[in-house]
Amino acid sequence: ELKVEQNPLFLSMQEGKNYTIYCNYSTTSDRLYWYRQDPGKSLESLFVLLSNGAVKQEGRLMASLDTKARLSTLHITAAVHDLSATYFCAVRRAAQKLVFGQGTRLTINP
Amino acid sequence: GAVVSQHPSRVICKSGTSVKIECRSLDFQATTMFWYRQFPKQSLMLMATSNEGSKATYEQGVEKDKFLINHASLTLSTLTVTSAHPEDSSFYICSARQGINQPQHFGDGTRLSIL
Repeated sequence: ELKVEQNPLFLSMQEGKNYTIYCNYSTTSDRLYWYRQDPGKSLESLFVLLSNGAVKQEGRLMASLDTKARLSTLHITAAVHDLSATYFCAVRRAAQKLVFGQGTRLTINP
Repeated sequence: GAVVSQHPSRVICKSGTSVKIECRSLDFQATTMFWYRQFPKQSLMLMATSNEGSKATYEQGVEKDKFLINHASLTLSTLTVTSAHPEDSSFYICSARQGINQPQHFGDGTRLSIL
């Protein structure tokens, strides 16, 4: 059974700092997604990573994938308050269902 | 981009009533639709997967008689919560996918509150 674990689950950081959220998954999978969720809202798609070594960047967020380690990272550079949200990774194996991590609640303080 | 519309966005109703939530893919044909439930401060939990024209496949522990799913067309799926009780209060999110290798697109969610 595919399991996805994120850490940390809670992250409070100062504006201007860098930090990384980790996403580990238990079995070989063919695609990994990162989503953002604001309070009371649905999911916003951030990245999809398909292959080993894939790196994608959008603004202050950068996601990477290491399929051998079964690990993805979401790196935040010079954080700003607007990035405060809950971030989910989700993994899918072949034609099976999407499995979500627990989510990381990120709070960025001025 | 692909848009999934979910309606209503918020429902407040009395215990014992049935509530229907609609999920529409506006600019693509969704061969598969998914229904999730999310409790406060938790992750998304998949309730069921439905393919157009077929019966929905429910996840373990989800009562199919309580959560009725219909996916009668390639652009519409509905979730009906029958005889809703306060413990059914939650955030329900639908998602749609055009093909097996296509990404899932998420609706805006429906916040259901049962009094």
